[in-house]
Amino acid sequence: NAGVTQTPKFQVLKTGQSMTLQCAQDMNHEYMSWYRQDPGMGLRLIHYSVGAGITDQGEVPNGYNVSRSTTEDFPLRLLSAAPSQTSVYFCASRLHKRTGGNEQFFGPGTRLTVL
Amino acid sequence: AQSVTQLDSQVPVFEEAPVELRCNYSSSVSVYLFWYVQYPNQGLQLLLKYLSGSTLVKGINGFEAEFNKSQTSFHLRKPSVHISDTAEYFCASSGTDKLIFGTGTRLQVFP
Repeated sequence: NAGVTQTPKFQVLKTGQSMTLQCAQDMNHEYMSWYRQDPGMGLRLIHYSVGAGITDQGEVPNGYNVSRSTTEDFPLRLLSAAPSQTSVYFCASRLHKRTGGNEQFFGPGTRLTVL
Repeated sequence: AQSVTQLDSQVPVFEEAPVELRCNYSSSVSVYLFWYVQYPNQGLQLLLKYLSGSTLVKGINGFEAEFNKSQTSFHLRKPSVHISDTAEYFCASSGTDKLIFGTGTRLQVFP
């Protein structure tokens, strides 16, 4: 198993550009999520999905869109990038949609800089 | 609403000394509690988790944590740290679905 994979590893955007951060998992996990990590703020939940076709907002959803057309993939879209979106983005997945204490597995992260 | 507070943003310690990283949680429902570690330029790795049962939980790399319901705490401890334990540590809690993180504690181990 490759686990949770993310592409790209690094990205530089100009203000106003759009892009999609890719996330895929090959563990047949129901639940997938996106976090952003900023210094002194820990990881904050952007969006999550409990299964194909079902998504919901987390703590900081503004400026981001997601979709879940397949169990494996959960892309994060920035429609019009802003400097405030400069961050490290982590995708995560777990087996079941309800936690039950299941471990959440994290991808290696995407470091995004918006100029 | 669920929240997690990590009381120390940085903890410097000398090698072979004991360490405690503090975490308090708040939730109106039963919670599951986790500690994750992030080594420099890497993703997060699970250290240990509390689901139910024994309040002392043992994890990887010699770490352990104690769940204290009356104090709503889940502090992480290690009796003797190594240079390789230098990393950022995150406490997290979940109810039925979302996993919510604290702001992290940077453990710096000096020789």
